[in-house]
Amino acid sequence: EAQVTQNPRYLITVTGKKLTVTCSQNMNHEYMSWYRQDPGLGLRQIYYSMNVEATDKGDVPEGYKVSRKEKRNFPLILESPSPNQTSLYFCASSLIAHRGGTEAFFGQGTRLTVV
Amino acid sequence: AQKITQTQPGMFVQEKEAVTLDCTYDTSDPSYGLFWYKQPSSGEMIFLIYQGSYDQQNATEGRYSLNFQKARKSANLVISASQLGDSAMYFCAMRVDDMRFGAGTRLTVKP
Repeated sequence: EAQVTQNPRYLITVTGKKLTVTCSQNMNHEYMSWYRQDPGLGLRQIYYSMNVEATDKGDVPEGYKVSRKEKRNFPLILESPSPNQTSLYFCASSLIAHRGGTEAFFGQGTRLTVV
Repeated sequence: AQKITQTQPGMFVQEKEAVTLDCTYDTSDPSYGLFWYKQPSSGEMIFLIYQGSYDQQNATEGRYSLNFQKARKSANLVISASQLGDSAMYFCAMRVDDMRFGAGTRLTVKP
């Protein structure tokens, strides 16, 4: 089954404790991206990657790191989480098509709470 | 820079009526894609409809249609014959290289 898998689905952690949210896709997609969703703000892009070893900052990259060493995986790393990073996180992937013509497939989301 | 604007935080519609959710966008790139996603209370993101910037006709998918007005840079979603199951958050998105989203509109369908 074609899918984007995020883990964990739910996570409660303490301020300053490093954590990683994993994202894996089995569709051989070049493009992968991380978003955070907050009430009233929609989905804001954190980082995205157009292919292996190619990552770029989105609108809200501060406090996050990513890596793209393999095509299928795109982990999101919070080196020192803070309470303002409490949010719902989504990973997405897609093919890269001319004229932006391919939809993104989303993971199920990770609900992160930083206390 | 790309920008997507959804100005309706919440909308109500009576069951079986049509509703239009607004979306405007801004980009200087002539090639782009426009998308709508639905997010029910369960949280998953469901792709609904796509419109390419060079497409001459408005996209339709079942009860969903996209009213694309290129000169106005608007890409409104029209849902015909609303159903209770249409109650959800709806996000407009634009893609040039990466994909950016608007703030969303919460639609509530009243019985």
